[in-house]
Amino acid sequence: QKEVEQNSGPLSVPEGAIASLNCTYSDRVSQSFFWYRQYSGKSPELIMSIYSNGDKEDGRFTAQLNKASQYVSLLIRDSQPSDSATYLCAVIRVNRLAFGKGNQVVVIP
Amino acid sequence: EPEVTQTPSHQVTQMGQEVILRCVPISNHLYFYWYRQILGQKVEFLVSFYNNEISEKSEIFDDQFSVERPDGSNFTLKIRSTKLEDSAMYFCASSEGAEPGNTIYFGEGSWLTVV
Repeated sequence: QKEVEQNSGPLSVPEGAIASLNCTYSDRVSQSFFWYRQYSGKSPELIMSIYSNGDKEDGRFTAQLNKASQYVSLLIRDSQPSDSATYLCAVIRVNRLAFGKGNQVVVIP
Repeated sequence: EPEVTQTPSHQVTQMGQEVILRCVPISNHLYFYWYRQILGQKVEFLVSFYNNEISEKSEIFDDQFSVERPDGSNFTLKIRSTKLEDSAMYFCASSEGAEPGNTIYFGEGSWLTVV
């Protein structure tokens, strides 16, 4: 079983719409969860961190964590063309980040 | 804003050669990491480093790889006898601590091409 799974294919959303991304993780003892944004050829950039069950909002981004179901999600409201990127879910596991393969988001003007 | 800096940004090397990738972590950070990303694949952990020693390494980080903190600011990744499959983007990262809540900051990466 993969440590972090992001199974959805590329996501195309119209500008102004909501983009929804999901991620599941295998290690029940994981405590820290992150969403990184990665533009093509660039490094991962942290956009959200979440440690407790429930929702955490930061601007147009909302992260949701459900430890019982072992999933983390990210909502991007009012999607902008600049949001077009690959979004990486990551989990801290024994002092290192384990990444999912990422979900590509394309915002169509 | 403090940032992790990496050099070179791009290096082309012949198969079998040794390469050294350099990183300057954020100055008050104590934990240092190397990750790599093969084109089109996920970001993979290689090694973490704390208090002048490796604290954890992945199965990828075999005897071909080594890390060093030669002075108070640099953190290097050495890849000996490079292979074609070592071609990847190598990211250095650092964090203040290891506890939950400590953010890991990434450098811009060093793109290694082995020919």
